[in-house]
Parts: sequence; structure tokens; C-alpha cells
Amino acid sequence: SQTIHQWPATLVQPVGSPLSLECTVEGTSNPNLYWYRQAAGRGLQLLFYSVGIGQISSEVPQNLSASRPQDRQFILSSKKLLLSDSGFYLCAWNGDGDTEAFFGQGTRLTVV
Amino acid sequence: KQEVTQIPAALSVPEGENLVLNCSFTDSAIYNLQWFRQDPGKGLTSLLLIQSSQREQTSGRLNASLDKSSGRSTLYIAASQPGDSATYLCAVRGSQGNLIFGKGTKLSVKP
Repeated sequence: SQTIHQWPATLVQPVGSPLSLECTVEGTSNPNLYWYRQAAGRGLQLLFYSVGIGQISSEVPQNLSASRPQDRQFILSSKKLLLSDSGFYLCAWNGDGDTEAFFGQGTRLTVV
Repeated sequence: KQEVTQIPAALSVPEGENLVLNCSFTDSAIYNLQWFRQDPGKGLTSLLLIQSSQREQTSGRLNASLDKSSGRSTLYIAASQPGDSATYLCAVRGSQGNLIFGKGTKLSVKP
């Protein structure tokens, strides 16, 4: 069966520090991968999605970047965190067409 | 641009009641619609997936319907229990494959 792992679960980082959040999927190949951010009262915002290795699409301009170095690995990064980067980050995957999407357990990022 | 709206934003009911959560979307060109549950501080758990050619899906006490032409979906929860308390999210999958979410309905079921 397919599983999705996301870590760390919580993170407290000072302003200006770098960030690296990792997401891996098991039990499937060539998944579509997504990074979402959930801020209080604002719902889930799509940040990046990837349909294959090295293929990244960005939905909104921001202080973050994403990379997909391997088929089932998706990394969210920042060189210098801002206070506004605080939030709950969720990784997700699905297949092509009419398939179900699955989410990781999320990372609570607090920038102080 | 696809927009998803969920009504109500919050709902409080006594245990045992049947309830309906509503979701509407502006662009009927969707691949599917998915309902999720989110507990505080946790990730999203998939409840039901309705493909674009389907009208409804059922899982236990949950029933979700889809009317693509009118841009609406409902999630029906029968005989609600305190354990059903959570935020329920509706998402549609468009041509680019990504999910577009509503802001959710926060449900509280009182014992």
C-alpha cells in the first residue's frame, strides 16, 4: 500500500535561517507531488506541484522553493525564513486522472 | 479561476443528529471531488472520492453527492457522534491535476 512520510512534525526557526522540509512517498511510482500551506483562517494554499523529477511548478511568488531530486521525494526549502513563512505545511500526492489524493501529517513551522 | 466555497463555516449539533455539509465550485470542468477530514494539528484524511462521472459515494455513515452541472456537492453524515468532530474540507481536482480547496466546515458534535 502507498504511504506518505513528512518530517519534521514541528519546527521552530529564527528569522533569516534556512529551511528544508522533506516528503517521501512509498508504494507508487511517478506520483504527482504537492506542497500546500495552511494558515489560520485562510484555508489550504497550493505552493508547488511536480509531475516528475526536476519538474516543478510554482503557484504563488514567495520566499520558498521546491525540488524533486528523486521520483518519490519532494523537498521544500528556503534560504532565509521570514515571519510570514510560519504555518502548517502539508505534502500530498496523487496519480494521474481520476485518482485519490493523500496527505502527509504536516509540519508546523513557527518562525520567531 | 476555480473557486470552492463551503457552507457553513462552523456547525454545532447534538449527538445523534443527521447533518449536511455543503460545497460549491465555480468551474464544472473537474476530474473529481474529494472530501477530507482534518483533526486539529493533523494532516488530512481522505473520506470520499467522487469521480466526475459519478453522482454519489458512500462509506459507512457518510454519503457524498455530486452535481457537476450546478457546481455542488454535499456530505451527509448520519447519526453524528462526538468522534465526528473535526474540520471537513472539500476539494476539486482540475485539469492541471492539483486540488483546489474550500476553507472547510468546522463541525462540533456535543454529547
